[in-house]
Amino acid sequence: ETGVTQSPTHLIKTRGQQVTLRCSSQSGHNTVSWYQQALGQGPQFIFQYYREEENGRGNFPPRFSGLQFPNYSSELNVNALELDDSALYLCASSPGLAYTGELFFGEGSRLTVL
Amino acid sequence: ELKVEQNPLFLSMQEGKNYTIYCNYSTTSDRLYWYRQDPGKSLESLFVLLSNGAVKQEGRLMASLDTKARLSTLHITAAVHDLSATYFCAVDMSRGSQGNLIFGKGTKLSVKP
Repeated sequence: ETGVTQSPTHLIKTRGQQVTLRCSSQSGHNTVSWYQQALGQGPQFIFQYYREEENGRGNFPPRFSGLQFPNYSSELNVNALELDDSALYLCASSPGLAYTGELFFGEGSRLTVL
Repeated sequence: ELKVEQNPLFLSMQEGKNYTIYCNYSTTSDRLYWYRQDPGKSLESLFVLLSNGAVKQEGRLMASLDTKARLSTLHITAAVHDLSATYFCAVDMSRGSQGNLIFGKGTKLSVKP
């Protein structure tokens, strides 16, 4: 149990739809990072939020967007879903930018795009 | 572009045997992570290595880091079936912050009786 919770755990969408995934960070953590893990692959960094601002982005198109709220929870939004967006989406929280310890992940949201 | 390469990608071991998983990365970094993932599950943190020569051990697993060679190893001693999982190494590319991890493709370990 890492204290990072994600919802929903599973969902099915069709191509062209939009999806919102949610992440509640561990208490005291103000930084949230999102990752996409396709089947059989390692996770890929999507972006990071620190105190409600985007603080780094991986190689993902603009239809992947995010938010961080004043309580440091976060959302990942994906517009115009494509089949290749089917993946496990993971978020991780940490207590700040200078933290160098372990990075703990939530249980993930498994998205299937039909 | 940072690349993180693990080998082997697949490893079938017998119980009681020893083996090492290798993780090479292509540019300097001051943080390296090892994670375990069971099928359909999230990532479980195993080790974080922060300096050259760092060595950490937990049970039958031992991880080490050589920043000069840009190499980390995960050594498995006297494997047991419960260690069957996929193991990922990840390098932190953040500068002054943490969270932008570049993962390897993973090593799928199967331990057979």
